[in-house]
Amino acid sequence: DAGVTQSPTHLIKTRGQQVTLRCSPKSGHDTVSWYQQALGQGPQFIFQYYEEEERQRGNFPDRFSGHQFPNYSSELNVNALLLGDSALYLCASSLVQGPYEQYFGPGTRLTVT
Amino acid sequence: LAKTTQPISMDSYEGQEVNITCSHNNIATNDYITWYQQFPSQGPRFIIQGYKTKVTNEVASLFIPADRKSSTLSLPRVSLSDTAVYYCLVGDWRDNYGQNFVFGPGTRLSALP
Repeated sequence: DAGVTQSPTHLIKTRGQQVTLRCSPKSGHDTVSWYQQALGQGPQFIFQYYEEEERQRGNFPDRFSGHQFPNYSSELNVNALLLGDSALYLCASSLVQGPYEQYFGPGTRLTVT
Repeated sequence: LAKTTQPISMDSYEGQEVNITCSHNNIATNDYITWYQQFPSQGPRFIIQGYKTKVTNEVASLFIPADRKSSTLSLPRVSLSDTAVYYCLVGDWRDNYGQNFVFGPGTRLSALP
């Protein structure tokens, strides 16, 4: 049973550039959530996708956008990168009807220079 | 979502039982309590979830008093591999639009030889 996978593992970008991160949910899951985790902090919720639509959004600017595909995989896009966007980006999947435990991927480490 | 308070850090010797307490004074009637474990540069991993009294699985126990204003995660016979950050989360996951998990700073557990 495949767990949550994310790509790439690490990424280095320059300020002002754009980045796309990818996530494949655990087999059978239909909901994908994205989190940003700065060093030494807990994960912060960015947004959640279900049925290819953004269902809920945390306190993140419009530079952060996403997409969910018919196969439930998802992308996180960040435009106009800032130094403060450097973080571990986590994808989590779950089932909308429950149980409500979220399965997290290993994350993508983004460094903005 | 109910705010949670946990100790920032704890030390425990190998082989001992460790208890991490989380305060959630404004927990709502429909809220569940969930604990996650996170190792460095990895995504959080679900440990246990409960609503009231006691829940036990193969890795931990969760004790919830009658007033539900706190909960205690108990790890029996700590090993060095239990060194990680532990997060307590509270929320009503059954709400279709409430699956965003609010992570606090967590408790950094250090298992000592």
